[in-house]
Amino acid sequence: KAGVTQTPRYLIKTRGQQVTLSCSPISGHRSVSWYQQTPGQGLQFLFEYFSETQRNKGNFPGRFSGRQFSNSRSEMNVSTLELGDSALYLCASSLGLGQDYGYTFGSGTRLTVV
Amino acid sequence: KNEVEQSPQNLTAQEGEFITINCSYSVGISALHWLQQHPGGGIVSLFMLSSGKKKHGRLIATINIQEKHSSLHITASHPRDSAVYICAVRGASNYQLIWGAGTKLIIKP
Repeated sequence: KAGVTQTPRYLIKTRGQQVTLSCSPISGHRSVSWYQQTPGQGLQFLFEYFSETQRNKGNFPGRFSGRQFSNSRSEMNVSTLELGDSALYLCASSLGLGQDYGYTFGSGTRLTVV
Repeated sequence: KNEVEQSPQNLTAQEGEFITINCSYSVGISALHWLQQHPGGGIVSLFMLSSGKKKHGRLIATINIQEKHSSLHITASHPRDSAVYICAVRGASNYQLIWGAGTKLIIKP
């Protein structure tokens, strides 16, 4: 059974550009959540999707957006990149939402903004 | 004050020692998670708890709902246990995961 797949693994972008990251959950998992990890802030919750709908959103500016497709794959987009957006972006998949089923994490996408 | 506090922030111990990492939280929760993150960045879910105690190999996790406190114990610690251990709680009201800052554990041979 394949794990959670995140692409790309590494990415370098310049300030002002936009970026799209992809997350393919474990087959059968319908919930995907996204996190930003920086050395100073630790893990910060971005948003959570279930059945193509955003169910929860963290305290990030509107430049951060996401979506989920009918096959449960999810993408997150960051527009007008800033240097401070450099981080490891992790996604996690879960069977469901609300009642906890446990999480499986992807290896992350390391984004560097220069 | 953070809603999820972990202690200690850093812990260095000798191989074979008994390790305890603590997590205190201030919100109502539906579940508490312990996760392990190795230097490469990958995160592995260790335990999900809503009450009592769970054991998996040399790892034991306990939770006291009344005291809003959980502990992760590692028996007979080994250098491969070196990682960051993260506590996260699922809020009972909005189901959002709230993360602790992590405890960096180094086990020396």
